[in-house]
Formats: sequence, structure tokens, C-alpha cells
Amino acid sequence: NAGVMQNPRHLVRRRGQEARLRCSPMKGHSHVYWYRQLPEEGLKFMVYLQKENIIDESGMPKERFSAEFPKEGPSILRIQQVVRGDSAAYFCASSPQPNTGELFFGEGSRLTVL
Amino acid sequence: AQSVTQLGSHVSVSEGALVLLRCNYSSSVPPYLFWYVQYPNQGLQLLLKYTTGATLVKGINGFEAEFKKSETSFHLTKPSAHMSDAAEYFCAVSENTGFQKLVFGTGTRLLVSP
Repeated sequence: NAGVMQNPRHLVRRRGQEARLRCSPMKGHSHVYWYRQLPEEGLKFMVYLQKENIIDESGMPKERFSAEFPKEGPSILRIQQVVRGDSAAYFCASSPQPNTGELFFGEGSRLTVL
Repeated sequence: AQSVTQLGSHVSVSEGALVLLRCNYSSSVPPYLFWYVQYPNQGLQLLLKYTTGATLVKGINGFEAEFKKSETSFHLTKPSAHMSDAAEYFCAVSENTGFQKLVFGTGTRLLVSP
């Protein structure tokens, strides 16, 4: 009974490169959420997706960041042309349905931009 | 906008002692409040939540929290600490009734000594 799986756990990129973070939700969960934790800060909401739909992306930076949750396969958070300020821990969470008040989180992916 | 303040980035207690982790929130609407815990090398998991009803909420592993509107607080307590309680604890408030957009505090690391 696997939990939320995120990979890679650690990713190092140079400025200007692209970062792709993957998240496989728990079995039976069709709602996925991405959160970001910058150093010395709390987790902050980025985006909420259902299969093939972005429901709420109000927390996503307007440029360079995108997210998808295709019909088949994991959810992907993509960061183009990374900058040092993108260095953070990115957490994915899932839930079987919305409005339950319980999110199941993965261990996070730590991105370091050199 | 909602916000959460967790006093003390680290709290140390002896095994068997009372655990008290503080959380204060700011919200312009009736808040929905959560405590999550992150054990080493694991994702965050829900400890307990307050949405409506009884202000004293019981969670897993003997933890409980009390919603005090007059103090805008939601402190987490456990009467007797166990070594296995050593973890990082995050308080969060929901920005909406859908509970998808959580605003987290910066976390408190609980250290338990024998």
C-alpha cells in the first residue's frame, strides 16, 4: 500500500537548466497538490490538479513554472530556466476527493540550483 | 489573508514530560486548522484537524489540540512524551472550505531525550 511517491528525492541543476519533478499519488487518489517550502519558511500552496485538469494554480509563479497531471502517469512539476531562488523542497500531496481536510504528502523533492 | 505562527523552531522535552507546541493563526474568516507531523524520511501526515464543532480535538498517538478563538490559538499537547514522538510538527490553516490550500507555519522540531 504505497504512499505518495516523489522522484527524484534530490535534484541538482545549474542556472538556466530545466527541472522536472514527478509525483505518483496514492492508489485511488485523483486529486494532486503541489507545495513548495523555501528555506526558513512554511510550505506554500502552488497548484491543485485533477486528472487532465488544473483546478487552482493561484500559487504558481506566472513564468517558468508549469504542472500537469495526465490521464496516464504521474503528475509533473516543470521548472524551466531555473534560478537560484528556485532552490527549495517541493512537496506533492494527494487525496481521494476534495474537501476532506486530509492531504497525504510525499517525502518531497529537494531542488538545488547551483 | 490567513497566516500561521509557530513559536519555537525547536522544543526539547524529556521522555514522559508534557509536550506543548504552540500555534497562533490569523484569519479573517472562521478558520479550519490542522496539525501535521513529519517523521524522519517520511511525508507529512495528518495528526488532527478542527473544522467545526467541539473545540478540543483529539488526534492520533495521544495528541490533542484546543481551538481558542479569543486567543487565536491552536496549541498541540500530549500529556507524556515518547521517544517515537521525535519529529517535525506543522500547524496549518485552510484558506478555503475546500481545504486544498493550506497555509503552513515554519514547523517545530520536537526533540525527546531519555
